[in-house]
Amino acid sequence: EVQLVESGGDLVQPGGSLRLSCTASGFTFSTSLMHWVRQVPGQGLMWVSRINAGGTTIIYADSVKGRFSVSRDNAKNTMYLHMYSLTTDDTAVYYCAKDRGGDLIGLWGQGTMVTVSS
Amino acid sequence: DIQMTQSPSTLSAFVGDRVSITCRATQSVNGWLAWYQQKPGKAPKLLIYKVSTLESGVPSRFSGTGSETDFALTISSLQPDDSATYYCQQYNSYPLTFGGGTKVEIK
Repeated sequence: EVQLVESGGDLVQPGGSLRLSCTASGFTFSTSLMHWVRQVPGQGLMWVSRINAGGTTIIYADSVKGRFSVSRDNAKNTMYLHMYSLTTDDTAVYYCAKDRGGDLIGLWGQGTMVTVSS
Repeated sequence: DIQMTQSPSTLSAFVGDRVSITCRATQSVNGWLAWYQQKPGKAPKLLIYKVSTLESGVPSRFSGTGSETDFALTISSLQPDDSATYYCQQYNSYPLTFGGGTKVEIK
C-alpha cells in the first residue's frame, strides 16, 4: 500500500524549532519529488515547499523561506521539514505529499499538528 | 504568484442536485488545474487534474471544465458522501496555490 506517514508535530514556544518527518512506503521514494503543505485548522491549504528526488533542488514559499529547511534521506525513505524561528502563524497541520509528475500533488499523508504557543 | 479564487465559499443542496463550484485564476494556468476533496479530519484527496481528467476511482458524477483562468467542478447528482470541502489548485508555476475552498453541505 502506498503510504506517507508524518511525525514530529508538537507544541513549541514562539522562536523555537521543530523537525517533522515524513516516512514513505509502497513506492520508490528515491525517484519521487515530494512536497510539504500546511493547513491552519478550519482554514485553507498553503503549499510550503518542494524537494526533488535527489534533494538538490528545493523551493520554498516566501513566508517560510530562510526559516524552514527541507531535506531527505532516500536510504531511509524519509523526508524532513526543519522549522526554525517559529511564530504563532506557523501553527497548522503539516502534510507531506507525493508528486504525481509535473508538480501535481497526488498522494497526501495524514498530517501532523504543529502548535506554536507560549 | 497566481491567486486562485473559488466561489461560493459554502454550498447547500439536496441529494440528487447538480452543483457547480467555480475557480478563477489571476493569470492563465495553461491547463494545470487540479481539484481536491477534503473531509473533516482527513487529508485532501485528488479528484481531478489537468482541468478535466478524473483520478482513478473517482465517481463519474464528478467532472471538471474550463480553460485559461476560469474553471468549474461539477457534481452531476449530489450524494451524501460528497459532503466535504473542495479546493482548486494551480500547478502551473511556483508557488503552487490553492483556492480558499468550497464547503458542500447536504440539505
